This record gives sequence, C-alpha cells and structure tokens, in this order.
Amino acid sequence: DAGITQSPRHKVTETGTPVTLRCHQTENHRYMYWYRQDPGHGLRLIHYSYGVKDTDKGEVSDGYSVSRSKTEDFLLTLESATSSQTSVYFCAISDSGTGTSPLHFGNGTRLTVT
Amino acid sequence: GQSLEQPSEVTAVEGAIVQINCTYQTSGFYGLSWYQQHDGGAPTFLSYNGLDGLEETGRFSSFLSRSDSYGYLLLQELQMKDSASYFCAAGGDSSYKLIFGSGTRLLVRP
Repeated sequence: DAGITQSPRHKVTETGTPVTLRCHQTENHRYMYWYRQDPGHGLRLIHYSYGVKDTDKGEVSDGYSVSRSKTEDFLLTLESATSSQTSVYFCAISDSGTGTSPLHFGNGTRLTVT
Repeated sequence: GQSLEQPSEVTAVEGAIVQINCTYQTSGFYGLSWYQQHDGGAPTFLSYNGLDGLEETGRFSSFLSRSDSYGYLLLQELQMKDSASYFCAAGGDSSYKLIFGSGTRLLVRP
C-alpha cells in the first residue's frame, strides 16, 4: 500500500473553531488532493497541490485553506468550522496530475462539527 | 468545467454480469478511471482508460469512447464481495483537477 497517513482519524469540534487535518506521504509523489465525501455527493475535490507551495482550488473550496510547505505534508484547514463541514475527508496522492496514474487514498478523517 | 454522471444504484445477482455507465463532460480530457469503495473504507483504484476501447483486468473490464464522452465498467461473475460503490473519475481541463462522479452503489444479491 502507498504510504499515506491522515491524522486525526476522528475529530469532534464546535462550530466556529479552526480545525487542521494533516496528510503525510512517504512516496515522494508530486500531486496531493483533499476530497470530502458526503452521502449522495460522492467525492468532491476541495483543494489540490501540484508541488511544494503550489496549490489550487477544487470544486468546493469555500471555507477551506491548504498549505504544502514540504513534499510529504499537505494540510487542510477549516478556518471557522460549520456544521455543513461535517463530513469524511480523504487525502489522496499520485505521481500524475491527469489521472494516468492511480490515486492512492488515505484512510480518511471523520469530522463532526457540533 | 467538468462533470461526470453515473447511475446512483444498480442491483444484480451473484454470478451475473453488470455494467456501470459513466458519461462525462470536460473542457479537456486525458482519460477515465474507475475506483471501488466498500462501506467504511477508502476508494481503491480499479482501472484506467486513456485510449478508446476495452481494458480487461480479471473479472473487471472498462471501456471508453471519446467520441461519445462515455465509458463503462463491466463486472463479470459477480461475487458478494463486489457489493460496493463504484466511481468514475477524470482529469483533464487546463489544471490538475481530478474529479469524481457521484458514485454507483452496487448491491449483489445471492
């Protein structure tokens, strides 16, 4: 399995608090992605990175920010958590940004905003 | 922009064949991927079509027609363990976005 670790695995937080999710990889892959998964919506792209300090918005980026200061770490921050951000968050990595190589997913972070 | 459409649910009998369709709309297109996800798990890669035609991997095959903006995943000799959600995915506009369809939930009955 690709070396990708998400932390924490579960988190409960209150509305209005900032939250940071971490994705760590040991594969030296250039491309990293954050998705959220909600029933009926499949996987929706939040932000992605195509290199250190190179990031861009996905489909549902409002309320989220990301940072990638080194190849192995991609952080997702909810600046002020809302109940609509209750979801399962998946990080994924790939050595291709076009889908020609597989995405390898972490085990996910289940976030509950109360 | 990009969008991928697939049926929300499919039901089939153990041992049968099932086809899951995916139609896509993208401003650019590299290829179509398929992922499987069991309940509570992470998505895992199944196949990729960069060219038109059929790609076969064991019991699973995937097809792409660029002219029709259409692809499908074919699962043969269905087993109970194939009950899962299946997602098509595509990259391709001017960026490195990889977008997924909303998923097809496959239920395999005895």
